[in-house]
Amino acid sequence: NAGVTQTPKFQVLKTGQSMTLQCAQDMNHNSMYWYRQDPGMGLRLIYYSASEGTTDKGEVPNGYNVSRLNKREFSLRLESAAPSQTSVYFCASRQGINTGELFFGEGSRLTVL
Amino acid sequence: AQKITQTQPGMFVQEKEAVTLDCTYDTSDPSYGLFWYKQPSSGEMIFLIYQGSYDQQNATEGRYSLNFQKARKSANLVISASQLGDSAMYFCAMRENRDDKIIFGKGTRLHILP
Repeated sequence: NAGVTQTPKFQVLKTGQSMTLQCAQDMNHNSMYWYRQDPGMGLRLIYYSASEGTTDKGEVPNGYNVSRLNKREFSLRLESAAPSQTSVYFCASRQGINTGELFFGEGSRLTVL
Repeated sequence: AQKITQTQPGMFVQEKEAVTLDCTYDTSDPSYGLFWYKQPSSGEMIFLIYQGSYDQQNATEGRYSLNFQKARKSANLVISASQLGDSAMYFCAMRENRDDKIIFGKGTRLHILP
């Protein structure tokens, strides 16, 4: 049972480099989410997509872009990484409006030097 | 504005005692849902319990129950008969039905003492 798969699991970047975090779910879920987790800050929503073809900003969208490539995949891109983006990133999905809990990936640990 | 507040950064509880983890929220959407998640030291996010704003009864799942007080905008998690394996970070989250946006609180780190 794959569920929600994130890649890569670990990444080290230099300031100014770009990268894309990939997320795919095999549960036919409509909604997908990207969160970042920092000590003492809980999980903060970066972007989310309530359905294929739509994306919306969350609490901390600055410095990130997203693409809902199809129903299965939701990628997060850092165009010019900054040390403040050092964090653990979680992708999550759920069935959709009014139903279902969030299913999470295992997380991606990103370090920006 | 949508907001979730967990006021207890950390708690220490003796094994076998009941635990209440606090969560308050704010929303203008009359239709919403509340979640609790557990994050052990291994890092995965484990779903515990869900309460819808129109649910008539408080949600229960095994040793977990949600004390939902709508007028006070609180959704506290109660763990009965705590176990050492309950030591973890616990997060409260809220979804507004109008847009499916889900936000989390900052969490409470629970330590169960033998």
